[in-house]
Amino acid sequence: DAGVIQSPRHEVTEMGQEVTLRCKPISGHNSLFWYRQTMMRGLELLIYFNNNVPIDDSGMPEDRFSAKMPNASFSTLKIQPSEPRDSAVYFCASSHRGSPLHFGNGTRLTVT
Amino acid sequence: SQQGEEDPQALSIQEGENATMNCSYKTSINNLQWYRQNSGRGLVHLILIRSNEREKHSGRLRVTLDTSKKSSSLLITASRAADTASYFCATAVYTDKLIFGTGTRLQVFP
Repeated sequence: DAGVIQSPRHEVTEMGQEVTLRCKPISGHNSLFWYRQTMMRGLELLIYFNNNVPIDDSGMPEDRFSAKMPNASFSTLKIQPSEPRDSAVYFCASSHRGSPLHFGNGTRLTVT
Repeated sequence: SQQGEEDPQALSIQEGENATMNCSYKTSINNLQWYRQNSGRGLVHLILIRSNEREKHSGRLRVTLDTSKKSSSLLITASRAADTASYFCATAVYTDKLIFGTGTRLQVFP
């Protein structure tokens, strides 16, 4: 089991550019979560999916953020247009039927 | 918004000493979990305690839960330098939705 796989590991982009973060959950897990971590705000839940369906997106900060899960093995988090305040580490996590979360190693996003 | 707050924010101890971290939360919960994060890595699950449990052990870890005070503590006994990490509590209001606290940075000196 390769665990939760996130790509890219690091992303540096200029303000106004579109950013797409990718996540492959653990096979067989039916829930997928996107979190954002910053020094100021800690770990924030952005959105989570059950069986590929978005259940709670109340943590998505603005309309500039969108997330999709087209199938059970892939999810994307897109920011368009990106802003410097979006700089953070973005984590994807998956779980099976309420079991503890398995996290990926994150994508460190820097928007200049 | 964050559900939990950890106390202390940072803790420095010597190897062999015990480390105690506390977590307070605001609303009723289904369960409470503790996670560990090494620098530059994702979080790793340590232990889960359900709302109807008061204490749980796993190796050198001991977790307590007091639902009347809306608080939990994590005790790491006989700490090692390898225990150096940040520790987070997370509360499950529903079965799936986990909200994380602010974390405690633990430094264990050899």
